[in-house]
Formats: sequence, C-alpha cells, structure tokens
Amino acid sequence: DGGITQSPKYLFRKEGQNVTLSCEQNLNHDAMYWYRQDPGQGLRLIYYSQIVNDFQKGDIAEGYSVSREKKESFPLTVTSAQKNPTAFYLCAISRGNQPQHFGDGTRLSIL
Amino acid sequence: SQQGEEDPQALSIQEGENATMNCSYKTSINNLQWYRQNSGRGLVHLILIRSNEREKHSGRLRVTLDTSKKSSSLLITASRAADTASYFCATDQQGAQKLVFGQGTRLTINP
Repeated sequence: DGGITQSPKYLFRKEGQNVTLSCEQNLNHDAMYWYRQDPGQGLRLIYYSQIVNDFQKGDIAEGYSVSREKKESFPLTVTSAQKNPTAFYLCAISRGNQPQHFGDGTRLSIL
Repeated sequence: SQQGEEDPQALSIQEGENATMNCSYKTSINNLQWYRQNSGRGLVHLILIRSNEREKHSGRLRVTLDTSKKSSSLLITASRAADTASYFCATDQQGAQKLVFGQGTRLTINP
C-alpha cells in the first residue's frame, strides 16, 4: 500500500533454509514493525524498531532476526530455527503517536 | 500474548443492517484501536479511542470504550457489501505503539 512495500508477495522455503522478507518505506516514519498472522488469528509482534540501528524483540522473536541499517528498510529473516514458519507476515510503520500503517504482506509457505 | 478477545468470531448480516463487534481486554490501556483487513491484504486503521474517551465517531463507524469493564464495541451502521472484511481490535498499553491484537471478527455483508 502507498508508501510501504513488502516483497515478495509469496515466498517458499525449503527445509533448513533461511529466507529474508523485505519491507521498505518512503514515508520517513521512524518506527517499523514485523507481525506474524496465522489463519483465522490476530497479529503477533515479532520485532520492532523505533530508530535506526536499534530494535527490540516482540512476543514471538525466536527463530527470527532483523536489522535496521537504514531508516527506509527493516528486513526480516526467517531462520531454519523457526520450525513452523508458514504464515502471513505483515510489516507496519508509524510516526510518533499516529496509528500504524501496514503493507500488503508476504505469504510464506514450506516446500 | 493475545490481549483482546473479540466477539463474535464471525458475523453475517444483510446489506443495510447494522453490525456490532465487541472486544474485551485484560490490562489497563493507553488507547484502543480498530483495524479492518480485507482477505489477503494488510490492515487498514479505522479509529483510535483513548482511555479517557468513552465514544468516538467516524462516518458510519461508532466506537465505545468502557474501561471499567475493559471492553470496547465497534458499530458499523447501514452496512454495505464493501464492509465485508475481518475487523481487529488492538490495545496499546504504554502509548508506545506496541500493539496487542485480538483474534478478529469476520464480517460478511450479504447483498
């Protein structure tokens, strides 16, 4: 959705493989977030970052890693340690106290 | 952790009728937000209500908040087919935009 881009839309992972999901924004928002959504469920927070070069674990960080080297980018790596990675992954951004603005998600499946 | 519990899990009504969804939460909050999600897409922010507010309106949407009962409701009046989506409440406990989502209500508007 306008200003925040997630790619790819669909991703497949083989056993033992790490995969990286991209989240890019051009709205100059400070904070970025990664959520996981399982079928019929709400969102659970994986990681979030409020400034460049800093990030915090959310509720389900195990098996995931992130980096925030640039303000515009917050990539999420799903590592081989994540044993149940099949889910819909959503990236969000926010500025100050404004509500979060979401991308259109990446659907990750296991081959 | 899933702070919010939404009720009902699914709701099917005729076009033109009103739809009411409820959300309960467990701990004190700074604000509560409602989001809409169309199938396979990201979330879209609808409305934010702060802990010191009791009611808020936005177009055909009306949100109430009862902090003594730790509950909120979302009313959509004069529903349209385009309102078909999943609706999520999310609580912000610290005002830090670290949201905790409910599991959502799937709303279907029948023409």
